[in-house]
Amino acid sequence: GENVEQHPSTLSVQEGDSAVIKCTYSDSASNYFPWYKQELGKRPQLIIDIRSNVGEKKDQRIAVTLNKTAKHFSLHITETQPEDSAVYFCAAKDDYKLSFGAGTTVTVRA
Amino acid sequence: KAGVTQTPRYLIKTRGQQVTLSCSPISGHRSVSWYQQTPGQGLQFLFEYFSETQRNKGNFPGRFSGRQFSNSRSEMNVSTLELGDSALYLCASRQQSPSGELFFGEGSRLTVL
Repeated sequence: GENVEQHPSTLSVQEGDSAVIKCTYSDSASNYFPWYKQELGKRPQLIIDIRSNVGEKKDQRIAVTLNKTAKHFSLHITETQPEDSAVYFCAAKDDYKLSFGAGTTVTVRA
Repeated sequence: KAGVTQTPRYLIKTRGQQVTLSCSPISGHRSVSWYQQTPGQGLQFLFEYFSETQRNKGNFPGRFSGRQFSNSRSEMNVSTLELGDSALYLCASRQQSPSGELFFGEGSRLTVL
């Protein structure tokens, strides 16, 4: 089955700086890669996703890149703000199953 | 439109007991997935149901089971509870497409003593 590894497990950034989270996956058949954000005590929510036929996608301050050959994808957050502090999960879809990474706790320092 | 609703939100059980958790998906969503969330382990996939059929299953022991009803509501059951089963159990629903957005409930926090 699919195995998703996520790094780093924790990330502390100064407000206004950029944050990058990287994930690798094992199943070359995976074709859908979403990112979820979970604020403290709240449910995970989708923030951006990318399909295997696209190399990059942007939505305001967040962007995701996908390298199918290397089987890795990354989340980029620019101009970080305090409300970006949360746990971020990457995921890869293998058949009908969505496999998640272990999560990255992002802390934005004021 | 109401979101995904999970009950109960919190529960405490002792080792050896069994527990049933309930999930009501968003109206119109036919797929329901269950995940176990523990610190450091992220979201571990338990199973997914679609139209009352289990469509996929994660690597959990047979003590973990589930079902889906004709109205798409789902339940999961854990028998012979162990201390390691303490976790947040999240239910998520989506429309038919397997690549569609997952909408999560707030979870059921299970503590096993």
